[in-house]
Amino acid sequence: GESVGLHLPTLSVQEGDNSIINCAYSNSASDYFIWYKQESGKGPQFIIDIRSNMDKRQGQRVTVLLNKTVKHLSLQIAATQPGDSAVYFCAEGTYNQGGKLIFGQGTELSVKP
Amino acid sequence: EPEVTQTPSHQVTQMGQEVILRCVPISNHLYFYWYRQILGQKVEFLVSFYNNEISEKSEIFDDQFSVERPDGSNFTLKIRSTKLEDSAMYFCASSESGHGNQPQHFGDGTRLSIL
Repeated sequence: GESVGLHLPTLSVQEGDNSIINCAYSNSASDYFIWYKQESGKGPQFIIDIRSNMDKRQGQRVTVLLNKTVKHLSLQIAATQPGDSAVYFCAEGTYNQGGKLIFGQGTELSVKP
Repeated sequence: EPEVTQTPSHQVTQMGQEVILRCVPISNHLYFYWYRQILGQKVEFLVSFYNNEISEKSEIFDDQFSVERPDGSNFTLKIRSTKLEDSAMYFCASSESGHGNQPQHFGDGTRLSIL
C-alpha cells in the first residue's frame, strides 16, 4: 500500500548549523508533497510544499528537495534556531483524492543552544 | 492571521457515549478536513468535506463517524458509541481549494480521552 515514512526519528543539531530532515515515500503517483512543523500541544503548521514536476523549492530559511527517481524528499533548514525545535512531518497528496494527505511518522528536531 | 479554532481542547467521555468535536474553519475556506493522531503515532486522514458533501474518507471513517456543517461557520465531527481506541488528538483543517494548490491549515486539536 501507499506510505510515507521518515529515515530518522530524531535529529539533534547545534544552533546556527543547517538541518536536513529526510522522508521516503512509496506512491509514485503523488502530485504534491508538504512539510509540516508540529510544536508541542499545537496542530501541524504548514512550512513549504512542492509539486511533483519540481525538484527544488525555496522558502525563507527552508529548502525542499524532491528526488522522484529514488522517491525521496528532504527539508533543509538553514541557520537552525531554538525556535525550530519541533516534530517535522512530510505529507503527500494526489489531486483526485479530495485533499487527502498521507503523513509520515515524523522527525523530532532538537536544537542545542 | 486567520486560524482554525477547535473546541473543546480536551474532552473526556465514557466508553459508549457520543461526542461532538467542533471546529471553526478559516472564513474564506471551502474545504474542510478531519485528521486524528493517536499518541506517538503519525497524523491520519479521516475525511474531507466540500459543498456539504464528503469528498473523500478513509477506512477509519466508518459508520461510527459523521461530519456536518450545521451553519456557515462550524464544522463538526460526531463519534457515536465511542471506544477506548478512539482516544486520540483530533485535528480539523481547512483550505481554499481541495486540489493541493492551497495548503491545509490545521487547528490545535481536541484531545479525546475515552474512559
